[in-house]
Amino acid sequence: QQQVKQSPQSLIVQKGGISIINCAYENTAFDYFPWYQQFPGKGPALLIAIRPDVSEKKEGRFTISFNKSAKQFSLHIMDSQPGDSATYFCAASRSKAAGNKLTFGGGTRVLVKP
Amino acid sequence: DAGVTQSPTHLIKTRGQQVTLRCSPKSGHDTVSWYQQALGQGPQFIFQYYEEEERQRGNFPDRFSGHQFPNYSSELNVNALLLGDSALYLCASSFPGTNEKLFFGSGTQLSVL
Repeated sequence: QQQVKQSPQSLIVQKGGISIINCAYENTAFDYFPWYQQFPGKGPALLIAIRPDVSEKKEGRFTISFNKSAKQFSLHIMDSQPGDSATYFCAASRSKAAGNKLTFGGGTRVLVKP
Repeated sequence: DAGVTQSPTHLIKTRGQQVTLRCSPKSGHDTVSWYQQALGQGPQFIFQYYEEEERQRGNFPDRFSGHQFPNYSSELNVNALLLGDSALYLCASSFPGTNEKLFFGSGTQLSVL
């Protein structure tokens, strides 16, 4: 059962443009929503995370928007750069559960063209 | 400060064999989680170790087992390998008291022929 659905699977954006990736979750017990960035041959690296008590969080060029009623959240990459070309994963977890496993989306491969 | 280190980086096995993967957590971290990432997919949680005990387990068969040592390092063992076990195996560690901000290693790429 896929509890976190991510779209699109891939996207191409011009340098300076905005990349938008969307995720939807099913489990209302989830209360921690991180985004990870993964380059080829490397493990995922935490980019930014949000909790349901806020609707938006911004760190540099990266912004998470969160809609609790719709059970959706999204990542916006502003002023996209070629170095942002990577695979992005959304994830969700129950922060108070023992073990606190992350449930990942299927990933979005982003290509930023110069 | 070394991050999460995993060994080996690549491994080739044949069906039916057994494999052991190793992980050293980031300095100061005491919790280790293992994930399986199939090609083109998101990581899938296998299990998590804390204080040398398995704290939570994902939907993986008993062929997958693990261990955590007193120095917090960990091993993942897979018995009776299947072709479908071919994947990137990722280890992640986190600080004491919080297991939200996970730091991942670069993984072990396992190929089963």
